[in-house]
Amino acid sequence: DAGVIQSPRHEVTEMGQEVTLRCKPISGHDYLFWYRQTMMRGLELLIYFNNNVPIDDSGMPEDRFSAKMPNASFSTLKIQPSEPRDSAVYFCASRLDGGWPQHFGDGTRLSIL
Amino acid sequence: GQNIDQPTEMTATEGAIVQINCTYQTSGFNGLFWYQQHAGEAPTFLSYNVLDGLEEKGRFSSFLSRSKGYSYLLLKELQMKDSASYLCAVIPRSGAGSYQLTFGKGTKLSVIP
Repeated sequence: DAGVIQSPRHEVTEMGQEVTLRCKPISGHDYLFWYRQTMMRGLELLIYFNNNVPIDDSGMPEDRFSAKMPNASFSTLKIQPSEPRDSAVYFCASRLDGGWPQHFGDGTRLSIL
Repeated sequence: GQNIDQPTEMTATEGAIVQINCTYQTSGFNGLFWYQQHAGEAPTFLSYNVLDGLEEKGRFSSFLSRSKGYSYLLLKELQMKDSASYLCAVIPRSGAGSYQLTFGKGTKLSVIP
């Protein structure tokens, strides 16, 4: 079975550039989550969607971050403009409504120079 | 706010038993998860506790005491491949907020020969 698929796996870019991270959840899953992981802060929830609708974006650090889910099989997390402090591993996760656990993708390791 | 505490690091010997503790103070409680995360990889689900007591799954067991806000993960017959970070995560409350996990910062376990 295909798990949660994220792309790219690694991204290195210069500050000020736009960064787009992509996620394909497990087919049939109703919930999609975007997390950021750093050594200092651990795994933090940024935003989550239910049936393609954003439910809680209180974890999005600032207006430079935006997320969309145009359909049930695709979501993007965009950072514009990017800053060095955005360097982290970004994970996408999905799960069924009423079903646990969440399943994580392999993550995108983002480095902003 | 939500507060989940775990030791930062632990070291144990191959073949031994290790207990990783997690304490939490959250606005309500609807379940606790343990995830394993190898370096550079995604978190993977280990166990789920919603009622008090011990859940056993092979070499791994997880215990929960809701009245004490406390859980532990017990790993028996340690193997070198068990070297990883172990993340404790709580579903904070019922209602609209019951659909997301709050993670601790993780405990990095090193298994030595």
